[in-house]
Amino acid sequence: GDSVTQMEGPVTLSEEAFLTINCTYTATGYPSLFWYVQYPGEGLQLLLKATKADDKGSNKGFEATYRKETTSFHLEKGSVQVSDSAVYFCALSDQGNTPLVFGKGTRLSVIA
Amino acid sequence: EAGVTQFPSHSVIEKGQTVTLRCDPISGHDNLYWYRRVMGKEIKFLLHFVKESKQDESGMPNNRFLAERTGGTYSTLKVQPAELEDSGVYFCASSQTWGQEYFGPGTRLTVT
Repeated sequence: GDSVTQMEGPVTLSEEAFLTINCTYTATGYPSLFWYVQYPGEGLQLLLKATKADDKGSNKGFEATYRKETTSFHLEKGSVQVSDSAVYFCALSDQGNTPLVFGKGTRLSVIA
Repeated sequence: EAGVTQFPSHSVIEKGQTVTLRCDPISGHDNLYWYRRVMGKEIKFLLHFVKESKQDESGMPNNRFLAERTGGTYSTLKVQPAELEDSGVYFCASSQTWGQEYFGPGTRLTVT
């Protein structure tokens, strides 16, 4: 079945450091790919998404590129802030119209 | 516009007891989903309503779980009787279309 593997956390970075959270996937069809973020005490929020190969999703300074050849969707940000501290979830929806399949989540802590 | 709300935010019950979780979706959203995250594991899909009908309940773990969505508005998820392995965070999400799910803050269920 479909699955998502993302790097285990926690990840601790200093403010203004570069962030990469790796995500790879396995899917039977042609999935849509997502990054969700959960800030403390809040629900999951869609951070960005991409629906086809080579698409780049971006939001709030975060980016991820849909790489079909490596089945990856790594999340990057050039300069993290303390307010980026949260749990990040990579997810897919096979064919873009099936329930989301999530990775385990990566907790990011950014220290000043 | 109000987001997805869930009640209660946290529930602690003893093994064998019954618990009912409630989700109020965003007004006008026909699609309603339940997911759960068991400690340290992925967020897993439980079921999907379209209005009051169960579109997909393939993720429901067993018949101790009963979900309803009377009138196509709010939904309840009842666990009866609760077991230790049911502990986790139960998320509700709603959407008008696929790929645009809005999540609630979750209900943390602890079974002792």
